[in-house]
Formats: sequence, C-alpha cells, structure tokens
Amino acid sequence: GAVVSQHPSWVICKSGTSVKIECRSLDFQATTMFWYRQFPKQSLMLMATSNEGSKATYEQGVEKDKFLINHASLTLSTLTVTSAHPEDSSFYICSAYRQGNQPQHFGDGTRLSIL
Amino acid sequence: AQTVTQSQPEMSVQEAETVTLSCTYDTSESDYYLFWYKQPPSRQMILVIRQEAYKQQNATENRFSVNFQKAAKSFSLKISDSQLGDAAMYFCAYTRADYTDKLIFGTGTRLQVFP
Repeated sequence: GAVVSQHPSWVICKSGTSVKIECRSLDFQATTMFWYRQFPKQSLMLMATSNEGSKATYEQGVEKDKFLINHASLTLSTLTVTSAHPEDSSFYICSAYRQGNQPQHFGDGTRLSIL
Repeated sequence: AQTVTQSQPEMSVQEAETVTLSCTYDTSESDYYLFWYKQPPSRQMILVIRQEAYKQQNATENRFSVNFQKAAKSFSLKISDSQLGDAAMYFCAYTRADYTDKLIFGTGTRLQVFP
C-alpha cells in the first residue's frame, strides 16, 4: 500500500486564494521530503527540499514567498501556494526519504487548477 | 552539475516485442544511483528498476532489465515481452550515493504499446 499520502489529489480555486497541499509519510519518519512540480508533458522539476525542523532549501528560480513549505513534524510536510494565479496551475508531487537504504517514495500528486 | 538526458521523446512497440529506452547522464561522482520510473496516465510515479553505480552487474526486475555502462555514462532500459500496461511515460533519474539527496530526472520517453 501507499507509504506516502498526498492530499488533496485535485483542487480548483479562484485566482488570489491560497492553497495548502499536505504530504504525509504513513508508517515511517521522514527527515527529508521533496516537492516537485510537473507541467503537462514535461518532466518533474524539483522545487525545494524540506527538512524537518529547519527551513526548506529552494531551487534556483523558485519563489520562496510564493511557495511556502513547512516540515513541522517527521511525518508531515506542507506546501502552500500563496495568492495563486493561473500560471501556478500544475501538478505538484511530493516524495519522502525512508531510512534504510531505500529510494524515495512518492505521493500520488496534486492537480492544481487556478481559475 | 549532474544532468540526465533522454533523447527519445516517443517510442512504440508491438505487444510481446522488446523495446529499449535510452538514457545518458553526466556526473563527476564515482558513486551514485540510477533509476527508471514509470508514470502512467494516473501520474503516479512507479519505481521500475534501480542500479547502484558501484555494482557492475546489470539490474533486472522480471521483464525489465538495464544495460549500465559506467564509463560511457549510459543507462538504458530494456522491456521484454511488452504488455499493453507498459504504456506510460518513462523517466530516467539520478541521485548521488545518498538516498536523502534529490532526484534529477530526464525529460522522459513516452512509450506506446500496440496490440
């Protein structure tokens, strides 16, 4: 079964609103979580690396004030898209590193549509 | 900086036949991991196979196998006995020899399987 849960799976909202996406590791503690963005027919691009208890590390070109990341516990990281606009519409997907020499586990992604 | 290149935007194969997807990468690291991920229309990221760079033996998972050429920095995926369910986007990915590090993805190859 899924070991990383991402919620919501699909959200539609008006321009100017803020949207929060949650990424939970279900049965393990994730010290590091990653947030990716994927435009249609394109690859996954890393937005930021989220470490529990510290500030996220953003990739070059990603607006940290637009995309707020919080990793307050070992099982939950959140991505908040603030004052969302149509150009923020995309597919957002998180992943979590599970200790024990195992690759990252991905959530099922969130389809964000801004009207 | 590390890069991953997939030069085949689209590939097609007849059911039950074999197809090979290409991937090259660039890195100055001597130890690292390489992956092939499958992304069906549901957009879930499914790990198909992984290769540890220090292992000379090519990884195999049922119908999926890789041809890892470390000196040439090449990492191709061979799918044998192709099935309709294999149709998807396939992404090659790289990470340093630490699963806590980010994944760097190629641009993807869309595989079509014809009956």
